[in-house]
Amino acid sequence: DTGVSQNPRHKITKRGQNVTFRCDPISEHNRLYWYRQTLGQGPEFLTYFQNEAQLEKSRLLSDRFSAERPKGSFSTLEIQRTEQGDSAMYLCASSLHTSGPANEKLFFGSGTQLSVL
Amino acid sequence: QKEVEQNSGPLSVPEGAIASLNCTYSDRGSQSFFWYRQYSGKSPELIMSIYSNGDKEDGRFTAQLNKASQYVSLLIRDSQPSDSATYLCAVRGSARQLTFGSGTQLTVLP
Repeated sequence: DTGVSQNPRHKITKRGQNVTFRCDPISEHNRLYWYRQTLGQGPEFLTYFQNEAQLEKSRLLSDRFSAERPKGSFSTLEIQRTEQGDSAMYLCASSLHTSGPANEKLFFGSGTQLSVL
Repeated sequence: QKEVEQNSGPLSVPEGAIASLNCTYSDRGSQSFFWYRQYSGKSPELIMSIYSNGDKEDGRFTAQLNKASQYVSLLIRDSQPSDSATYLCAVRGSARQLTFGSGTQLTVLP
C-alpha cells in the first residue's frame, strides 16, 4: 500500500491521559500535514512539516499538542492531558512540494478517531 | 466571515441529474482550489483541482473558478447514488496550508 498510513485507527482514552498518533506519508512526499475534523465540519489545520522542519502551527493549537517528524519520514502527534474537547478525527496528509505554482495536492490518510471519556 | 464558505445542505438530486455545489472564499490572494469527496466515516479524497479562471472538466466532474467573484463551484453530471457523500471545498490562500469549508452533503436519489 503506497498511500498515507495512520495508526491507530481508533483510540479511546480517559481524560487526563496522554495519547500519541503516528502517520507514515507517501514515501516520495516531502510535506506532511496534521488536520483535525469534528462531525459536520471540514478539516481544521493543526501543523505541517517540510522534511523534518515544522514550518507552521495553527494559532488555535494548544500547548498540550506537539508534533515531530524525525528524519523527515513518519510523524507523530502527541496530545498531553487529554480533554473531552479533543475528541475528533485526526487526519494526516502528505504532499510533494516543488518550487513553482502553488498547485501542491494533499493526500489524506484514513485518520485516527480519538474519543476522550 | 468564514474563510471558506459552503452551503451545508443537504442537497438532494435525482439520479441522472446535475448536482451543483458552490463555495466562496475571502482571501483574494488565493491561488489554488480543490474539491474533496468524503464518504461517511472515511477520509477526504481529492477529486478536482483548479488554478485558473474558467472551467476544468474531468469525466463527469466540472470545476468552475471565478477569482473576481471569489467563487468556485463543482458540477457533477449524470449523478449516481455512489456520488452521495460530503463534498469539501479547499482553498490555498496567502497562508501555505489548505483551508477547508464545512462541506456540502449530497444525496443522489435512485
